Amino acid sequence: DTGVSQNPRHKITKRGQNVTFRCDPISEHNRLYWYRQTLGQGPEFLTYFQNEAQLEKSRLLSDRFSAERPKGSFSTLEIQRTEQGDSAMYLCASSFQGRDTIYFGEGSWLTVV
Amino acid sequence: DQQVKQNSPSLSVQEGRISILNCDYTNSMFDYFLWYKKYPAEGPTFLISISSIKDKNEDGRFTVFLNKSAKHLSLHIVPSQPGDSAVYFCAASDNTDKLIFGTGTRLQVFP
Repeated sequence: DTGVSQNPRHKITKRGQNVTFRCDPISEHNRLYWYRQTLGQGPEFLTYFQNEAQLEKSRLLSDRFSAERPKGSFSTLEIQRTEQGDSAMYLCASSFQGRDTIYFGEGSWLTVV
Repeated sequence: DQQVKQNSPSLSVQEGRISILNCDYTNSMFDYFLWYKKYPAEGPTFLISISSIKDKNEDGRFTVFLNKSAKHLSLHIVPSQPGDSAVYFCAASDNTDKLIFGTGTRLQVFP
């Protein structure tokens, strides 16, 4: 399968712990996006990369959140000192270039207890 | 500030009939629009898109109409099938290429 791959698919963590999600985009896709979706809402943009460069970060991305894309391939999204409000589905997506179709992974569910 | 709005949270349609899902936007800089379908516990799946230079795009049973003056787009599904039952999200982008999503419409197609 050559789609966008995310892991872990589910993560339950205690408040205050750190978590990291990984995303492997579709091969040769230059753009990589992170979104967050909570119940009853549409996906909300967090950040995106063009190759290894992080081009934009949403104000939703507090200082506790950091995303990287070393070497322009896979990406990681780390959340430090998790809070209950961080509970959501974290979606990764990729595209070949701007204005190309953006394809989403199956998401990583985070539950903070 | 919700820049992309889907005012109908749910829609119920009989199998074989037409489903019409609506979407309104406020940002006049948006020039590319997409529809995604989402099943529970899965990521959104791309359905169809339209550029602002067009007013209609068709792909099989799916047609998207864009009315720029009204800042409105709609997705038509004809004929509707039970497998179409899902949440449909409208999304829009400007020259930054990031997508802004609506809150979704849950479509249920019954026999």
